[in-house]
Amino acid sequence: QKEVEQNSGPLSVPEGAIASLNCTYSDRGSQSFFWYRQYSGKSPELIMFIYSNGDKEDGRFTAQLNKASQYVSLLIRDSQPSDSATYLCAVTPYNQGGKLIFGQGTELSVKP
Amino acid sequence: GAGVSQSPSNKVTEKGKDVELRCDPISGHTALYWYRQSLGQGLEFLIYFQGNSAPDKSGLPSDRFSAERTGGSVSTLTIQRTQQEDSAVYLCASSNRVGTGELFFGEGSRLTVL
Repeated sequence: QKEVEQNSGPLSVPEGAIASLNCTYSDRGSQSFFWYRQYSGKSPELIMFIYSNGDKEDGRFTAQLNKASQYVSLLIRDSQPSDSATYLCAVTPYNQGGKLIFGQGTELSVKP
Repeated sequence: GAGVSQSPSNKVTEKGKDVELRCDPISGHTALYWYRQSLGQGLEFLIYFQGNSAPDKSGLPSDRFSAERTGGSVSTLTIQRTQQEDSAVYLCASSNRVGTGELFFGEGSRLTVL
């Protein structure tokens, strides 16, 4: 079992729709959760982080965390073609210092 | 510097040769990370540094891989006797504090082993 799992996609949504990206993790003691965006041919950049159960909103982005289900998601409202990218979920495992483990990423395509 | 700088941006080498990849982190960032990304894959953790120390080397694929960091700044990832499966983009990232998860990535070094 991979430490962090994501559907590789591609996930295709029409412009203006809500895109829902999901991630599960295996280490129940994981403490911090991150979403990175990676445009094709570019490096990843941090867009959201969440530490506590529940929702965290930042503009059109909402991160959701459910530690009991070991599940974290990212919702993108009013999706735009410029949101088309690969979204990487990342987790800091319990008691492993500063190590940050990434999932394989979900490719999102927003169609005009 | 303004951002994380990596060199070379592209490296083509022959199987069996050694390569060195360099990372210059953001000034003042104490934590430095190396990841590897193969085509269409996620980021594979290799090693991270806190200052000049490497608390976690667990991701290095084999003893052909080594990394060092000097002066709490520049890091070098060395791959000895390269193999074709080493072909990937090697990404370096830095952070002002270990454990925050806020990593700033360089543009990567694309390694191709023929």
